[in-house]
Amino acid sequence: DQQVKQNSPSLSVQEGRISILNCDYTNSMFDYFLWYKKYPAEGPTFLISISSIKDKNEDGRFTVFLNKSAKHLSLHIVPSQPGDSAVYFCAASGRSGAGSYQLTFGKGTKLSVIP
Amino acid sequence: KAGVTQTPRYLIKTRGQQVTLSCSPISGHRSVSWYQQTPGQGLQFLFEYFSETQRNKGNFPGRFSGRQFSNSRSEMNVSTLELGDSALYLCASSFDSPVYGYTFGSGTRLTVV
Repeated sequence: DQQVKQNSPSLSVQEGRISILNCDYTNSMFDYFLWYKKYPAEGPTFLISISSIKDKNEDGRFTVFLNKSAKHLSLHIVPSQPGDSAVYFCAASGRSGAGSYQLTFGKGTKLSVIP
Repeated sequence: KAGVTQTPRYLIKTRGQQVTLSCSPISGHRSVSWYQQTPGQGLQFLFEYFSETQRNKGNFPGRFSGRQFSNSRSEMNVSTLELGDSALYLCASSFDSPVYGYTFGSGTRLTVV
């Protein structure tokens, strides 16, 4: 059972326009949500996170929105740049009984920004 | 500051062999987690260590094991390798909170033939 879903495997956007990447989750116990960017042959790079008690977090060109009632979050990139072309992973964090945090990842969305 | 260092970067093993992968976390990070990335399954959680203790384990067979040393460096071991173990193995370190994100290494690409 996939607890974190990214339903769009790929997305193409024109340079300068907005990129919107979506993510849905099923587990209401998740308390943090994170977005990572990954280039080929590299590890994922942390982009931005949001606590479950907030509905928006901004960092430069990146904004994450959380809709808890819909169990949905989205990452907005404005304006999109060719260097943003990568695979984006949505991840959710929940605390286990042992006090450990564990990240559950979606399968990723490949963003292509066309010059 | 130095990032998360994983060695080796690439590894080719034959079925039935065992393998040990190494991870050096960012200085000061005491939590080290391991993930397996495959094209079909995405990133899947293997286990997490904190202060030399395994705190959490994902849904992987007992052939996958790990440990953490007093300097927070971690190793993971896979015994009796199967073709399906071919994957990118990623290590991530953190301050024990996801607020600042986990910092991942570049991974070890394991190919089992």
